[in-house]
Parts: sequence; structure tokens; C-alpha cells
Amino acid sequence: SQQGEEDPQALSIQEGENATMNCSYKTSINNLQWYRQNSGRGLVHLILIRSNEREKHSGRLRVTLDTSKKSSSLLITASRAADTASYFCASYGTGNQFYFGTGTSLTVIP
Amino acid sequence: DAGITQSPRHKVTETGTPVTLRCHQTENHRYMYWYRQDPGHGLRLIHYSYGVKDTDKGEVSDGYSVSRSKTEDFLLTLESATSSQTSVYFCAISEWGGNTEAFFGQGTRLTVV
Repeated sequence: SQQGEEDPQALSIQEGENATMNCSYKTSINNLQWYRQNSGRGLVHLILIRSNEREKHSGRLRVTLDTSKKSSSLLITASRAADTASYFCASYGTGNQFYFGTGTSLTVIP
Repeated sequence: DAGITQSPRHKVTETGTPVTLRCHQTENHRYMYWYRQDPGHGLRLIHYSYGVKDTDKGEVSDGYSVSRSKTEDFLLTLESATSSQTSVYFCAISEWGGNTEAFFGQGTRLTVV
């Protein structure tokens, strides 16, 4: 399987704290994407980082990419209860396929 | 939400029966995907399409077939449903494959009894 992995599997924090989740992937990539999934819903795209980029920001989100370690991290700053969701990374290399990780379940306690 | 509609949203079927799930898009995106989501496995690709009548297998394609006769519709068929195919199925679309973001449907919860 070329499926990636997220770490930790579950994370619980207080509102206002920062949340960091990590993703490891297995093959060379063109880009890596992060998605959010609220309970019972489809996935929503958050951010895309290309293989030649090391860091990218979007609002309260900060993504880093280390291609030498085949890893990425997603930082959510000043978390809110509405950030409670599962977060998935998806790597894209060749073959027009996204390979999703197993996800991190984030709970933000008000 | 992007213009993606999955139908049905819920289905219970018996082992051995054929089942067809439909994904309909109004975005005119070239790429369409079918994923299944299971606890502990995240999302796994079943089949995808890169144009009308152009499809390819994903990593968990056994027991599934697909068809795309129009840009807007991508059908997933379970030829003879088994209990191991009980899952939540998601359709996704993207304009330029993996170089752009994917938009997901709301999912179809399929139970095979």
C-alpha cells in the first residue's frame, strides 16, 4: 500500500491552543494536500503545498514539507471549537492518484 | 459545496446483489474518483476516470467496476456485493487531477447484509 500515515491518530486540546499534526508518505510527490472532514460529511480541501515549497500559510493554517524525510506537518493556530474534525493528508505523485493518510481526529474543547 | 451529488445517500442491500452508486457533477471537471472510507484505513482509491470512457484502477478495485459515458456522471458498480464492501463511499472531482484540489461529495453509506 502507498497509503500514508498521520500522527497522532487523535488529539485533544483546549480552545485557543495550537494543534500540530504530522503526515508521512511513501513515494516521491508533486504536491501534498491537507483536507478536513467534519463528522458525517465529505472532505474539504484546506491547502496544497508543492514539492519545491517548504512552507505555506493560509489564515490560521501553516503547512511544512520535508521531502527528504517524506513528511509534512499541519499547524492550526489559536484553535476554535469549530476546528473539531478529522484531518487528512493526501500525497500526489504519479498516476493521477491521491494517496490519503489514515487521518488525525482533532477535538477542540471550548 | 462544489456541484457534486451522490446517490443514493444510504443503501442496505443483500449479499450477492448488484449495486450501482452514482456520482453527478456540474463543474465540468475532467477527473472523477471513487474512494471508500473505513475505520483505521482512511480513504482508499477504488477507480478513477480521466475523461469520458477513460478509467483506471485504484488500489482496492477488486469487486468493483466503473463507467463514465458522460463528463458529468461516474458510476460505481458492485457486481455481487459482499459484506466486506460495507463502507462509506465518496466521489471526488478535480479539474487537473492531482495538480489541483479535489472536491468531495457527501458520501454514500452502503451496508451489505
